[in-house]
Amino acid sequence: GAVVSQHPSRVICKSGTSVKIECRSLDFQATTMFWYRQFPKQSLMLMATSNEGSKATYEQGVEKDKFLINHASLTLSTLTVTSAHPEDSSFYICSAGGLGTRGGGETQYFGPGTRLLVL
Amino acid sequence: DAKTTQPNSMESNEEEPVHLPCNHSTISGTDYIHWYRQLPSQGPEYVIHGLTSNVNNRMASLAIAEDRKSSTLILHRATLRDAAVYYCTLLGDNYGQNFVFGPGTRLSVLP
Repeated sequence: GAVVSQHPSRVICKSGTSVKIECRSLDFQATTMFWYRQFPKQSLMLMATSNEGSKATYEQGVEKDKFLINHASLTLSTLTVTSAHPEDSSFYICSAGGLGTRGGGETQYFGPGTRLLVL
Repeated sequence: DAKTTQPNSMESNEEEPVHLPCNHSTISGTDYIHWYRQLPSQGPEYVIHGLTSNVNNRMASLAIAEDRKSSTLILHRATLRDAAVYYCTLLGDNYGQNFVFGPGTRLSVLP
């Protein structure tokens, strides 16, 4: 099946610094990727939709200047958490789909997640 | 967005079948039913999806009610590795739509 990778898998940073998370579709091209955030014991919450070659679409309540998304190619999307604070500590997960199947039958493939801890 | 409701948790014995229910009474005619599962500290993993007919794959079976207002994910023989949170979610027929995840069902498998 299709594989989505994320890097790094785990990152610890100091408050005020920026962190970049990469999401790659390894064996397929993805015009659309999604970024989710998951707090402990909670479900995944969609943060934004990343579109190749255009601006990302952010969900209500997600600060676009704080969570910068770049989808520069059909296999790579990046999420940069700028000026991170302890409340940004979370599990960040990306997904990508397509594989030629359009519409509701499209299977999404999820990355393994990146655990961010801001001290 | 059409929503789904699932029991918060379920328990099963190892090597027994497991039936995980999902209600989606407001499903529209073009919504696909998708099931994903998430093991601890991992991203969700695709399990199965369907539209109207029952579906089988190497991981599970999906039984869809005739009125499509509910569905059941069937694990034929639960193993310890099947312990996870199972999410039932719907996806409309427009390309590029995202999933909306509810709290899912936490499945515990007892040895």
